Amino acid sequence: DGGITQSPKYLFRKEGQNVTLSCEQNLNHDAMYWYRQDPGQGLRLIYYSQIVNDFQKGDIAEGYSVSREKKESFPLTVTSAQKNPTAFYLCASSIDLSGRTRYGYTFGSGTRLTVV
Amino acid sequence: QKEVEQNSGPLSVPEGAIASLNCTYSDRGSQSFFWYRQYSGKSPELIMSIYSNGDKEDGRFTAQLNKASQYVSLLIRDSQPSDSATYLCAVTKTALIFGKGTTLSVSS
Repeated sequence: DGGITQSPKYLFRKEGQNVTLSCEQNLNHDAMYWYRQDPGQGLRLIYYSQIVNDFQKGDIAEGYSVSREKKESFPLTVTSAQKNPTAFYLCASSIDLSGRTRYGYTFGSGTRLTVV
Repeated sequence: QKEVEQNSGPLSVPEGAIASLNCTYSDRGSQSFFWYRQYSGKSPELIMSIYSNGDKEDGRFTAQLNKASQYVSLLIRDSQPSDSATYLCAVTKTALIFGKGTTLSVSS
């Protein structure tokens, strides 16, 4: 079955440490996204990519980095420059930025990151 | 002005009632509008999409769009306890931008 796989489900980061969250999709979608969700809040866009080897900053890109070397993969690195990284991180994909299909943006199951 | 605004709730309705969820957006250039449902601790799942003015119905759900008023709504008829969740309104700008969500509680 096609879908988006995020790993790990839970991740613990020590102060000053970089960590990388994995996102893989087999939906043949061109566009991929990273969102952050804090308790009681909506989703905020971190980075997005429309095509391999190209990506754009979203509203809260500071302290994060991404790469898009393959169509299927869009890993997110949370760097030590991100001062408050504890949150629920969601990866999504879509055929294009408009999301104008019956599936809209399809989300992975998320990674819950905690600073220890 | 926030780009996508929703009342945070909670919105409480009895089982069988109609739940009405509202959303306003600031970018008049937005072309696509979505409602997602999110259960606690889970990822969002798409319920409805709407692209043109008017109503769109799918089972117990009706989405309404008024571009002149920059307003999107979601009606849930015959609400069930399983509908208790947070409902996220999302609007395309460059990528999809989300509101903070409205928490719905359906009591049996």
